Amino acid sequence: KAGVTQTPRYLIKTRGQQVTLSCSPISGHRSVSWYQQTPGQGLQFLFEYFSETQRNKGNFPGRFSGRQFSNSRSEMNVSTLELGDSALYLCASSFAGGAAYNEQFFGPGTRLTVL
Amino acid sequence: DAKTTQPPSMDCAEGRAANLPCNHSTISGNEYVYWYRQIHSQGPQYIIHGLKNNETNEMASLIITEDRKSSTLILPHATLRDTAVYYCIVRVASNAGNMLTFGGGTRLMVKP
Repeated sequence: KAGVTQTPRYLIKTRGQQVTLSCSPISGHRSVSWYQQTPGQGLQFLFEYFSETQRNKGNFPGRFSGRQFSNSRSEMNVSTLELGDSALYLCASSFAGGAAYNEQFFGPGTRLTVL
Repeated sequence: DAKTTQPPSMDCAEGRAANLPCNHSTISGNEYVYWYRQIHSQGPQYIIHGLKNNETNEMASLIITEDRKSSTLILPHATLRDTAVYYCIVRVASNAGNMLTFGGGTRLMVKP
């Protein structure tokens, strides 16, 4: 079974631009979560989508948004990029919602650099 | 979700058991203990989880104290490929979502 895929793997943008990152979950998985990882703040939860609905949201400004499509693929968008948005953005998928043993499978991440 | 405390770093000799501790003294009765690890430049990988009984799978064993205030992840025969950051996470079993709250983790260095 193919794993979680994220595109692109690397991205360079300049301040003020916007960016869209894509995540394709494992086939059959309906939950997709997004995380930001930086050296200073570590791994931080951005949001989770389940059946095309945002179910949880972390403590990030409104410039960070996402969506999920009917095939469970998800995109996240960051508008008006700031230098501090430079990070590894990780996507994780899981089969169903909220069960205790609901293992999450992470993709390799998209490394975003904002200049 | 309960807060966890882990040592920032540990060393282990290749072939020996790696015992990674985690303190979660404020854990509540419906919270599970999860372990994930992140090998450099990769996404985190699930290792094991448990509620109150000890658990074992092909990767590791999880020992949870009787009062559930701490746990230990055991890699029985550490290899160089086990060098990674190990995260102990405590969260409620809930239908409300899959959010994981990562702390700083323990950076395990397996040395030849």
